[in-house]
Amino acid sequence: QVQLVESGGGVVQPGRSLRLSCAASGFTFSNYAFHWVRQAPGKGLEWVAVISTDGRDLYHADSVKGRFTISRDNSKNTLYLQMNTLRAEDTAVYFCAKDKTAAAAYYFDSWGQGTLVTVSS
Amino acid sequence: EIVMTQSPATLSVSPGERATLSCRASQSVRSKLAWYQQKPGQAPRLLIYSASTRATGIPARFSGSGSGTEFTLTISSLESEDFAVYYCQQYNNWPSITFGQGTRLEIK
Repeated sequence: QVQLVESGGGVVQPGRSLRLSCAASGFTFSNYAFHWVRQAPGKGLEWVAVISTDGRDLYHADSVKGRFTISRDNSKNTLYLQMNTLRAEDTAVYFCAKDKTAAAAYYFDSWGQGTLVTVSS
Repeated sequence: EIVMTQSPATLSVSPGERATLSCRASQSVRSKLAWYQQKPGQAPRLLIYSASTRATGIPARFSGSGSGTEFTLTISSLESEDFAVYYCQQYNNWPSITFGQGTRLEIK
């Protein structure tokens, strides 16, 4: 059974950094592209970033480009999101989401439970 | 950026009745359209992809239709567990994928 467990969220001051992790189990992690999707409190969903199976191809939303970096460690079955220069508007629940395919179809058939990041002074 | 517009924002329907949710794209996304269900405090769940293909384990009462710019999610006979927020998502214009703002399906 697919399981995705995020961690690393918390309260952080504007301008500081945070790294989120997503531990995967129940399937062959290295066979799938992965994404981060976020949801501000009471708002809709916003795609954040995608990474290919081997970690070589990365794309980030314009809203986080240059500040956030997605990465993965296939030996540890773990996905990461390094978030630098955080802003108040980055406050959200961050979900890791498994792509339906290896080639990054860009829709998501499994999601973690999410981890809340609050950016506030 | 492709803007996805869902209507209505809130839909009130009685259990056992049919619900029809709409999603419109600002430009053609072909059939690259997914639907998700989200309940309070939970992650979204994939219902439909490729506009009309049910995801694994999704009951047959959920169906999707449409292509180009107009899409519909139909729930044929509502059950209590179906009351939730529903999002459409286009993935034609990757990596700039976008979601609709959501339709809240509530009990009438």
